[in-house]
Order: sequence, then C-alpha cells, then structure tokens
Amino acid sequence: DVKVTQSSRYLVKRTGEKVFLECVQDMDHENMFWYRQDPGLGLRLIYFSYDVKMKEKGDIPEGYSVSREKKERFSLILESASTNQTSMYLCASSLGLAGQETQYFGPGTRLLVL
Amino acid sequence: QKEVEQNSGPLSVPEGAIASLNCTYSDRVSQSFFWYRQYSGKSPELIMSIYSNGDKEDGRFTAQLNKASQYVSLLIRDSQPSDSATYLCAAFGGSNYKLTFGKGTLLTVNP
Repeated sequence: DVKVTQSSRYLVKRTGEKVFLECVQDMDHENMFWYRQDPGLGLRLIYFSYDVKMKEKGDIPEGYSVSREKKERFSLILESASTNQTSMYLCASSLGLAGQETQYFGPGTRLLVL
Repeated sequence: QKEVEQNSGPLSVPEGAIASLNCTYSDRVSQSFFWYRQYSGKSPELIMSIYSNGDKEDGRFTAQLNKASQYVSLLIRDSQPSDSATYLCAAFGGSNYKLTFGKGTLLTVNP
C-alpha cells in the first residue's frame, strides 16, 4: 500500500511567519506534488518534483518554494505567510513511469493564517 | 491551456439508483484518465483509472472512455449513501508529469 504522510493535519500561523509543510512517501516514487484546494477553485498545482533536487513550477507558485533533498521527502515553504494562503494543502506522489501516472494523496494539511 | 470540465452538481440520486458522472477534456493527446473520490474534509482517493477506449468495470463502478469525443464518465451502480462525496476527474497528457484535475462533481445519495 502506498503511504503518503504529511507533517501536520492542522496549522495556525500568523501573517509574515515562515511556514514549513513536510510530506513523506514510502513507495520510492519519483514524482512528488504540492497542491492547494479551495472551495470553487478545485485542486491547483503549486510545485512538483520529478527527481531529487529537481523542481518545476506548477500553476500557482507565487509565494511558495519547495525543497527535495531526499527522494522520499518533499517540503513546501511559505516564505512569509499571508491570509490568502489559508487553504487545504495536499501532497501527492506518483511512480513516474508510463502507465503509472496515478497520484496518491496524503491526508492534507489545513492551514489557517491569521 | 489544458482543461478538464465537470458538472459541478450537486447530483442527487436515490439509494439503489445509477449515478452517472461526466467529464470532458480539451487536450487531445491525453492518454490516461482517473476518477478520484473525495469525502468532505478528506483527501482524494483513487477509484478507477482508464487508458483505452471502452468500458472498465470494478465492482459497482464502471469507467467509460471515448477519446474521439474527448469524454470520460463514471457510472456507480446500486448507489449507496456512503458514495456521497465529490468525484474528481483527472487527465494525464504526456511528458509533463502532471495530472489536470476537474473541479469535481458533488454527488448526494439519498436513503
């Protein structure tokens, strides 16, 4: 069974704080993704990584950065949190081979920025 | 821009009925398609994947793909109240590693 875990289920932070969200997968997947999900807007891709130390911008990268130092771990960083970054953050991973594009999601982190 | 369109719903069906969820996609080179179920407050979980034209059945779920019409559907037979959730359609287009998700259809199954 694929297992994707996220460091926190709920987080409350203050505007301007630096926020770290961590994601770990245990299935040796090549690809990892960070999304945010907001009512009416669906899932929006922030960043993804297809290899260690490799990253690509998704559709809404502004205000975020990522780090992938180890294959199993992908971190999302909010450099200076703002209230419009209040959202549900979802991490996902996939094997990365043709025909194996299924993404498996972690439980999500609900972030509130005050 | 690649798009995946779904009716937002809500779609309401009585218990035991067939629920039909539909999805269209804009990118003709899309190769693989996925249906995820998402309960309120939870993360998406994979129900079905489909790669070839035609039907694919798994228990009460049937996915249908028509690449000529750029159309994917999910049928849920003998719907149960536990099927009440948002269903997300996703398409994989090729070399960019990414899935394109629709915004989801909210399904309510009434006892």
